[in-house]
Amino acid sequence: DSGVTQTPKHLITATGQRVTLRCSPRSGDLSVYWYQQSLDQGLQFLIQYYNGEERAKGNILERFSAQQFPDLHSELNLSSLELGDSALYFCASSTQTATSTDTQYFGPGTRLTVL
Amino acid sequence: GNSVTQMEGPVTLSEEAFLTINCTYTATGYPSLFWYVQYPGEGLQLLLKATKADDKGSNKGFEATYRKETTSFHLEKGSVQVSDSAVYFCALKANTGFQKLVFGTGTRLLVSP
Repeated sequence: DSGVTQTPKHLITATGQRVTLRCSPRSGDLSVYWYQQSLDQGLQFLIQYYNGEERAKGNILERFSAQQFPDLHSELNLSSLELGDSALYFCASSTQTATSTDTQYFGPGTRLTVL
Repeated sequence: GNSVTQMEGPVTLSEEAFLTINCTYTATGYPSLFWYVQYPGEGLQLLLKATKADDKGSNKGFEATYRKETTSFHLEKGSVQVSDSAVYFCALKANTGFQKLVFGTGTRLLVSP
C-alpha cells in the first residue's frame, strides 16, 4: 500500500458526459501528479500540482482540468468524454521540493470506460 | 527531451531462470532512475531506484545499476518466480526543479512453472 488513495476504482460512463476523479496523497506529500495509461499512448504525464498551485503540464487535453485543494487532495475533471478517453488514470504524490530527488508513489488508479 | 527506451516484450521465462530487462535513457544532466512494476489488475508500485551514477538499486531480489557511461539501467533477477509475472516500467526524473516521470513503454514478463 503506497498511502495514495484514489476513488472511484472503476467508472463507466457515456460519451459527452463529465466525470471527476479524486486523489488523496500520502500524508505529508505536497505534490500531486496525474498520469493517463492507455494501450496506444502508454503512460503519459498530464499535470502536476504543488501545495495548491499548478506546476507543470504535460499532454493534457483542454477538456480536462485539475485542481488541488487546501487539504492537498486533488481532483481531475474530464468533460465532453470521448471513447478515446477510456484509460487507467493514476495519481501519484511526492514531497517534491524544487531541488529534491524524491520518489513518486502511485495510487491504485481509476479505470474509466467511456461507452 | 528526456526519453526512456525499453526492450520489447513479452519476455517469457521458466521459473528459476535469470532475468534481464534492458533499459536505456536519454537525458540532460543527471536524472534519477526508477523501475516500477504493475501486477495484473493493479496500480504501479515502485520496485527500486537509483539517484546517481554507479548506484545500485535493489529490492525483492531485483537489481539495477545506474550506468552513466552507457546511459543504462537494466533490471536483473537471478531466479524468477511465477509471482514475478507483471509489466515492468523503467522511468527517469530530471533532478532540477519540478519534474515529471518519463516512462518507457513497459515490458511484460511471463513466468511459467
